[in-house]
Amino acid sequence: DAKTTQPNSMESNEEEPVHLPCNHSTISGTDYIHWYRQLPSQGPEYVIHGLTSNVNNRMASLAIAEDRKSSTLILHRATLRDAAVYYCILRDGRDFGNEKLTFGTGTRLTIIP
Amino acid sequence: NAGVTQTPKFQVLKTGQSMTLQCAQDMNHNSMYWYRQDPGMGLRLIYYSASEGTTDKGEVPNGYNVSRLNKREFSLRLESAAPSQTSVYFCAILWGELRGGYTFGSGTRLTVV
Repeated sequence: DAKTTQPNSMESNEEEPVHLPCNHSTISGTDYIHWYRQLPSQGPEYVIHGLTSNVNNRMASLAIAEDRKSSTLILHRATLRDAAVYYCILRDGRDFGNEKLTFGTGTRLTIIP
Repeated sequence: NAGVTQTPKFQVLKTGQSMTLQCAQDMNHNSMYWYRQDPGMGLRLIYYSASEGTTDKGEVPNGYNVSRLNKREFSLRLESAAPSQTSVYFCAILWGELRGGYTFGSGTRLTVV
């Protein structure tokens, strides 16, 4: 399974942009890059996902490197409610045979008021 | 976490007792999953079901059984609970089929003493 590497923790000031990096050097051509976040005592929440092109939604933007070996989740204006653990995972879009993906330990984002 | 309902939210078991964790979705999706999350760790896949009537093992299936009797419900059973199964259990559905993302339930916090 393709692996992802994320920093254990990051801090950011409230109302400033946040860039959360993820390395996935062994990504395959059919792997989608997914981002989820988990607030304390809650289940993971979908944030965004993409394949090759940069993606935007109401929650965040996903910037994918041209060689796809890394990506960055961008929160444009962090609020205290964005404090969470952020997971970057890869999911094969070919078939259901690659369900054994692991979330890893993610990046714990702290927002400073 | 609207659309994925887990019961119970909390449970304490004695070693050797059995119990079933219930998960139900109201979104008519084919794929459903059971994950466990131990303190300070990411999520690990226990079992998944790509469609009604089918189930497959994930990363950590030992000590668990699952049942997908209909499209809506996917249950996880612990036949003889062990302290090592103390964890938070999350049920999830996959939307958008092969290229989609996951919606998680709010979790069941299980303690085995």
